[in-house]
Amino acid sequence: NAGVTQTPKFRVLKTGQSMTLLCAQDMNHEYMYWYRQDPGMGLRLIHYSVGEGTTAKGEVPDGYNVSRLKKQNFLLGLESAAPSQTSVYFCASSYGDHNQPQHFGDGTRLSIL
Amino acid sequence: GENVEQHPSTLSVQEGDSAVIKCTYSDSASNYFPWYKQELGKRPQLIIDIRSNVGEKKDQRIAVTLNKTAKHFSLHITETQPEDSAVYFCAASRGGAQKLVFGQGTRLTINP
Repeated sequence: NAGVTQTPKFRVLKTGQSMTLLCAQDMNHEYMYWYRQDPGMGLRLIHYSVGEGTTAKGEVPDGYNVSRLKKQNFLLGLESAAPSQTSVYFCASSYGDHNQPQHFGDGTRLSIL
Repeated sequence: GENVEQHPSTLSVQEGDSAVIKCTYSDSASNYFPWYKQELGKRPQLIIDIRSNVGEKKDQRIAVTLNKTAKHFSLHITETQPEDSAVYFCAASRGGAQKLVFGQGTRLTINP
């Protein structure tokens, strides 16, 4: 039982490049989330999903897209990376609704040059 | 929407002393209040949570208290140890369509 697994763990991009971050969970959770964490800013929600085939915007969605084609996977895409997207990205999942404990992955450290 | 304020942003205590972190929330309908601990370079992990039908919950050296009237909740850590050094986040939600909202975090340092 691996819990929530994020790939890759580190990545360096040039401005304008695109990439996809993958999150996979093996707990059969319905809800999945993508957060970014910047110094002094806490955890800010980018996008989330309440079930397979659904996505919704969070607090800071601009510049990101997501897809939930399979229940266990939640992908975060950057179409044209910008230096402001340099951050640590965390994926999380929970059983049921927003009032359930969230289980986090180990994070992806992304640098945009 | 919900707004969560967390204080202090940094806290330094002597090993063995107690530490208290406080959060206030704005939505009186919020009913779920978790606390997460994040060690340096690690993932946030849930350490304790409380729901609005109880006023206090304990788990060994940690406890959370909730004051619904004043709309604040606090994390109490007693007999602090070096391994308690971390960033702690509070959060609040009322469920349904309202997402969990996190506080800004408190960096707790335990001095030997």
